Amino acid sequence: NAGVTQTPKFQVLKTGQSMTLQCAQDMNHNSMYWYRQDPGMGLRLIYYSASEGTTDKGEVPNGYNVSRLNKREFSLRLESAAPSQTSVYFCASSGSIYGYTFGSGTRLTVV
Amino acid sequence: SQELEQSPQSLIVQEGKNLTINCTSSKTLYGLYWYKQKYGEGLIFLMMLQKGGEEKSHEKITAKLDEKKQQSSLHITASQPSHAGIYLCGADVRAQKLVFGQGTRLTINP
Repeated sequence: NAGVTQTPKFQVLKTGQSMTLQCAQDMNHNSMYWYRQDPGMGLRLIYYSASEGTTDKGEVPNGYNVSRLNKREFSLRLESAAPSQTSVYFCASSGSIYGYTFGSGTRLTVV
Repeated sequence: SQELEQSPQSLIVQEGKNLTINCTSSKTLYGLYWYKQKYGEGLIFLMMLQKGGEEKSHEKITAKLDEKKQQSSLHITASQPSHAGIYLCGADVRAQKLVFGQGTRLTINP
């Protein structure tokens, strides 16, 4: 099925550990996004990529890095995880009449 | 500060009742999206509005974008348990970026 695929779905990290969240879309969309969702805060934009080879900071980029590996893939890296990064992370892509398509989310806990 | 304000933040209604959720921006909205999220799951696209005065309906859900394109409302008629969840409005307030309101948690009591 066409859409946005995120891996992993769940992850527990210890403070200071690193990890990469993977995201891939098969809809040939140019733009891709990473959001985090915290209770009562809606979704906040971390980084986005308007096209292959470009990335830009969103509202809350501190502590994260991203890579737009190719048109399909956009990864989010936490170099040194902190408890404040405990959240649900969503990847999204855009480029169709339906606006933005979201992945199913990654639930990350940092202890 | 939030660029989009949703109200109310939480809503509890009895099954069969109508309800309205509002989304307000201080800036002109270029594309307003409504999504629904079941607890612990991803976002489901509901509707997109682009033109001032535009109104769209799907089943028992109607969304409107006001003439000045700074406020949208989502109205559910004869609510059902399947309508429960978190409703999020998102908008292109800046080019190529979608920002969200804080969400409205809807509970339907039998």
